[in-house]
Amino acid sequence: AQSVAQPEDQVNVAEGNPLTVKCTYSVSGNPYLFWYVQYPNRGLQFLLKYITGDNLVKGSYGFEAEFNKSQTSFHLKKPSALVSDSALYFCAVRDIYSGAGSYQLTFGKGTKLSVIP
Amino acid sequence: EPEVTQTPSHQVTQMGQEVILRCVPISNHLYFYWYRQILGQKVEFLVSFYNNEISEKSEIFDDQFSVERPDGSNFTLKIRSTKLEDSAMYFCASSESSGSSYEQYFGPGTRLTVT
Repeated sequence: AQSVAQPEDQVNVAEGNPLTVKCTYSVSGNPYLFWYVQYPNRGLQFLLKYITGDNLVKGSYGFEAEFNKSQTSFHLKKPSALVSDSALYFCAVRDIYSGAGSYQLTFGKGTKLSVIP
Repeated sequence: EPEVTQTPSHQVTQMGQEVILRCVPISNHLYFYWYRQILGQKVEFLVSFYNNEISEKSEIFDDQFSVERPDGSNFTLKIRSTKLEDSAMYFCASSESSGSSYEQYFGPGTRLTVT
């Protein structure tokens, strides 16, 4: 079974400072990893994904994430936080060996990011 | 930019009533999904749908739930007899069929309140 852990319920960071939102995963095979962001009263918005290749992936709005296989982590980062980045961030995983026709994503519980002006 | 749309945005129903939640996936996508998020909890997978049949479903997706693609654009989730614990935000999602494009695009959700 696949699972995702986001160890922090909330992350506070000052505007202009770098931010990190942590994610670790567990799969039986190789993972496809995703970050989504949810603004209040909105749906989940895709930010970035890791499928294969370069461990550092870049996504929307200046976000990036680093895949670390040995630590089974996929932390979300941004060099300089904006107040508008304040939202709920979800990490998700799909195990590529979970079977033909299986595309379900397993989500973490989410991390609330607050960027303080 | 193409978007997944969902209607209604908020549905209030009484326990035991049937509800149908509607979704219009992105037009060239072939895989469709329903997820739900109970207030303050994780987003949970319910069901995936491809080629007019369910390809996978979770334990949550019991006989009270059904999905349908009644025409070329809509994708619906029906709950036959709602329970209080069905109160949640329901998200529809869709994805392409090509090899590496596994990101799923989510709609804004329908908040279902069962009273």
